[in-house]
Amino acid sequence: DIQMTQFPSSVSASVGDRVTITCRASQDIGTWLAWYQHKPGKAPKFLIFEAHTLQSGVPSRFRGGGSGTEFTLTINSLQPEDFASYYCQQVQRLPLTFGGGTKVEIK
Amino acid sequence: EVQLVESGGGLVKPGRSLRLSCSASGFTFGNYGMSWFRQAPGKGLEWVGFISSKPYGGTADYAPSVKGRFTISRDDSKSIAYLQMNSLKADDTAVYYCGKDWGSGSGSYYVDYWGQGAQVTVSS
Repeated sequence: DIQMTQFPSSVSASVGDRVTITCRASQDIGTWLAWYQHKPGKAPKFLIFEAHTLQSGVPSRFRGGGSGTEFTLTINSLQPEDFASYYCQQVQRLPLTFGGGTKVEIK
Repeated sequence: EVQLVESGGGLVKPGRSLRLSCSASGFTFGNYGMSWFRQAPGKGLEWVGFISSKPYGGTADYAPSVKGRFTISRDDSKSIAYLQMNSLKADDTAVYYCGKDWGSGSGSYYVDYWGQGAQVTVSS
């Protein structure tokens, strides 16, 4: 199975800050990576696919990057609605696997 | 508007069975693969399985943790995906989510719409 390691596991930030989350794959997955946002009690939200392509309707302050084994999700100018957990997921090979998640909390 | 609604969750004893349903609307259900995921208490998201659309075989794949115990099926005439869970264990306790595949056809494994989730608790 492809292991996905995500860090940090949590980050405290203020509105207007820039936050970067890193996701590392145990083997080369090209750009077969998605990012999701998840708030407690809500349906997860699809943010980015193919590592860097923004899903329709997702604000441009979200940016995905990377390829191979190292990936990043950057949130520029953090907004109040961005406080949530974020997960990377590889779709290069079954079983699909997620990173452990990053909780973005209000400082 | 795409909507996915899970139902059928509840409290069940270890070793028993439960079937979840995912009722879909707002898109041509038969053209898309469907996935199931879960989130155990205090844990992250976990992929459970995927079923392709019928034109691409309607076949299912599963996570190793549930293979042989869980079965995914679909009824395109009703726009419902099912997750049949047998031989349930305490470790299966989680919120279960269904999701619509982003791409029509053989499936991309990206999920562009998710349901709100259904709680499954396995306890004696």
